Amino acid sequence: GAVVSQHPSWVICKSGTSVKIECRSLDFQATTMFWYRQFPKQSLMLMATSNEGSKATYEQGVEKDKFLINHASLTLSTLTVTSAHPEDSSFYICSARVLSEGPNNEQFFGPGTRLTVL
Amino acid sequence: GDSVTQMEGPVTLSEEAFLTINCTYTATGYPSLFWYVQYPGEGLQLLLKATKADDKGSNKGFEATYRKETTSFHLEKGSVQVSDSAVYFCAFGRNRDDKIIFGKGTRLHILP
Repeated sequence: GAVVSQHPSWVICKSGTSVKIECRSLDFQATTMFWYRQFPKQSLMLMATSNEGSKATYEQGVEKDKFLINHASLTLSTLTVTSAHPEDSSFYICSARVLSEGPNNEQFFGPGTRLTVL
Repeated sequence: GDSVTQMEGPVTLSEEAFLTINCTYTATGYPSLFWYVQYPGEGLQLLLKATKADDKGSNKGFEATYRKETTSFHLEKGSVQVSDSAVYFCAFGRNRDDKIIFGKGTRLHILP
């Protein structure tokens, strides 16, 4: 149980184009999904917190117009990198928190999407 | 502020050696503590967790004990295998907003 998928697993695009990455919780409902960015040999940097049916909350320094997040249902969140540039090349990882009563910190992570912008 | 400090890598060991990766945290309250593992080319997987003081999380031969008095959650394994080669991240769940705060990761190389 608690499986999170991401699509695509990797994508190469030209500078200036937009790329959409999907994050799905396959066997559970996730009221909250998180988007992270990971640079080579570094830790995960939280970009934004996505709650179903409401606007995402972005971390300081993350451009919300650059990284559009939509959480359309309890099982799907999307991250769109708009007008991508080479510096946006990175490994993007989503995670989902299980819907449950009471506090629950545990998140389940997707396998990640490697974006390369030429 | 909230943070996780873990030993820098890379750590290189021979197969069947004893492993310790140190981790300490700074947080308010009593957060849940996690170790995540990232195998080459893959996403993060939860390795083990502990939700309260003195709890011991264990999985695949790895163990870590929640030490409130030293704010530590050191990862140990008695006999490592080549397949344990990966990056290990110590983390905690921040109570006030449920965000997870990660350490920088420790790369582990196990030599046959």
